[in-house]
Amino acid sequence: NAGVMQNPRHLVRRRGQEARLRCSPVKGHSHVYWYRQLPEEGLKFMVYLQKENIIDESGMPKERFSAEFPKEGPSILRIQQVVRGDSAAYFCASSPRQISNQPQHFGDGTRLSIL
Amino acid sequence: QQQVKQSPQSLIVQKGGISIINCAYENTAFDYFPWYQQFPGKGPALLIAIRPDVSEKKEGRFTISFNKSAKQFSLHIMDSQPGDSATYFCAAKRVPSNTGKLIFGQGTTLQVKP
Repeated sequence: NAGVMQNPRHLVRRRGQEARLRCSPVKGHSHVYWYRQLPEEGLKFMVYLQKENIIDESGMPKERFSAEFPKEGPSILRIQQVVRGDSAAYFCASSPRQISNQPQHFGDGTRLSIL
Repeated sequence: QQQVKQSPQSLIVQKGGISIINCAYENTAFDYFPWYQQFPGKGPALLIAIRPDVSEKKEGRFTISFNKSAKQFSLHIMDSQPGDSATYFCAAKRVPSNTGKLIFGQGTTLQVKP
C-alpha cells in the first residue's frame, strides 16, 4: 500500500539545464498537487491537477515551469532553463478527491540543487 | 487575504512539558485547518485537522483549539517527548472549492529536550 512516490529524491542541475520531477500518487488517487518549499519557509502551492487537466496553476511561475498529469503514468513537474533561485524542495501530494476535507498525502519530496 | 501566520518560529520545551503553536488566518472563507508534522528529509504528514464548527479536537496527546471569532487556532502537544522534535506547519483551505490548495504557515521548529 505505497504512499506518494517522488523521484528522484535529489537532483543536481547546472544553470540553464532542464529539471524533471516525477510524482506517482497513492493508488486510486486522481488529484495531484505540487508545492515548493524554500529553506526555512513553509510550503507554497504551485499547481493542482486531475488526470489530463490542470485545474489551478495560480502558484506556478509564468515562465519556465510546467506540469502535467497524463492519463497513464506519473505527474511531471518540468522546469526549463533552471536558475539558482529554483533550488528548493518540491513536494507532491495526492488525494482521492478535493471537494471534501479529504487529506492530502505528501511524498518525501525532490531536493533540487542548482550549481 | 490568503495568508496564514504562524508563531513562534522555534520552540524549545522540556520533556513532559506542553508545546503550544499558534496560527492566525485572514480569509473567513477558510473552513478546514490541518496541522502537519515534518521530520528532516521527509514530507509533511497530517497530524490532526479541525473544521470551524467545533472549538476543540483532541487526538491522543495532540489538541487543536479553534477560535472562529478571533480567526486563530493552535496546536497543543501534551507531555511532549523528544520524538516530537520536528517542524510543525498549520494550514488552511476552503472546502468545497474549485481548488484544493492548502495555504501553509511558515512553520515552527520544535525541540523537546530530554
